[in-house]
Amino acid sequence: QVQLQASGPGLVKPSQTLSLTCTVSGGSMNSGSYYWSWIRQPAGKGLEWIGRFHKFGSTNYNPSLKSRVTISLDMSRNQFFVNLTSVTAADTAVYYCARENTGNYVDQWGQGTLVTVSS
Amino acid sequence: SYVLTQPPSVSVAPGKTARITCGGNNIGRISVHWCQQKPGQAPVLVMYYDSDRPSGIPERFSGSNSGNTATLTISNVEVGDEADYYCQVWDTTTDQPVFGGGTQLTVL
Repeated sequence: QVQLQASGPGLVKPSQTLSLTCTVSGGSMNSGSYYWSWIRQPAGKGLEWIGRFHKFGSTNYNPSLKSRVTISLDMSRNQFFVNLTSVTAADTAVYYCARENTGNYVDQWGQGTLVTVSS
Repeated sequence: SYVLTQPPSVSVAPGKTARITCGGNNIGRISVHWCQQKPGQAPVLVMYYDSDRPSGIPERFSGSNSGNTATLTISNVEVGDEADYYCQVWDTTTDQPVFGGGTQLTVL
């Protein structure tokens, strides 16, 4: 079964860029037809979808974050990434990487990583 | 954008049936998916396409969707079912998934 693990700096300064990596194991990102996604969750709050990337190049982003977000893939390394620019304290959250089925639902979640935005 | 409304909390005694609702405008016309999130853990898919269970999810979990309400039903509730439950749909107007606010299930 595919497993996903998010990783990256736990602390980012305001106005800087948040960069996270998701490493996929137990299967190739190139097999099947899936979207590779990022979702975040502020402490004590609900889930907020950030965006997704399909191996054939199509992307979707949350309109509220679209101007600051980029998601990319490196299938040779079985990894995908998210960059979020100009961060503020409001971007502090646990960030999850996930696999989305073509039925538009998440069928596999990774373990999240906490990112705190603070000076 | 499409709005999903869930009750903040539901309480149930062990062995009883819990029903967690997810309200949305004509939600019965679209597919609803549910995930379970236990404290400190990543969410796990427990229901997709309204009423399909992923492998490994007990038959005690079932789903329905009609009119303006989708429902996740957990029969014979166990203490281990305590978690937050989120419904999710795909919003075709904004091309993104939308999550409900989540329901905390407490097993008394």
